[in-house]
Amino acid sequence: DVKVTQSSRYLVKRTGEKVFLECVQDMDHENMFWYRQDPGLGLRLIYFSYDVKMKEKGDIPEGYSVSREKKERFSLILESASTNQTSMYLCASSSPGGPWALHFGNGTRLTVT
Amino acid sequence: AQSVTQPDIHITVSEGASLELRCNYSYGATPYLFWYVQSPGQGLQLLLKYFSGDTLVQGIKGFEAEFKRSQSSFNLRKPSVHWSDAAEYFCAVGESGGSYIPTFGRGTSLIVHP
Repeated sequence: DVKVTQSSRYLVKRTGEKVFLECVQDMDHENMFWYRQDPGLGLRLIYFSYDVKMKEKGDIPEGYSVSREKKERFSLILESASTNQTSMYLCASSSPGGPWALHFGNGTRLTVT
Repeated sequence: AQSVTQPDIHITVSEGASLELRCNYSYGATPYLFWYVQSPGQGLQLLLKYFSGDTLVQGIKGFEAEFKRSQSSFNLRKPSVHWSDAAEYFCAVGESGGSYIPTFGRGTSLIVHP
């Protein structure tokens, strides 16, 4: 069965800390995504990646960066965490070449204090 | 640019009653349409998708959705709701010939009364 694993379910960090959110998929998917989910706002795309070492900005990339050194792993980095980055973060992956469905991880709920 | 509207933030139904969740999209060509469900504390799971062909699509857990081009809608339905259907439901649209990255609606929270 398809699996997307996010390393932490809950994370509490302090303002100004550098934060790494990790995501691993076992489906050999080329495409990987990071979304942010907030009540009433739905899912907003932060960054996505079509291949190793390739990345594209989504709708709300400010304050975030990403890393994709291996095909199966896509990391989201908060260079200097701020309280307005408190949110649920969802990682997803999909096959290339079409509007295929996304496979999601269970999410990381990040609280920045 | 594509967009998705889910007009209802919350929907409350009684167990056993029928359900319809609304989704309207804005896109010039034939869209690719999806419904996802998110149970509490979980990620999103695909319920069903429409790419082409028959406009009535069947999904998992007894859900179905109908694509109506004239109304730019893709409403989700279930004839008899179970308490376990209580969750957040997201409609999404992906553009044909483009990056295929879906745009999500803001979600509808389904509350099921016993």
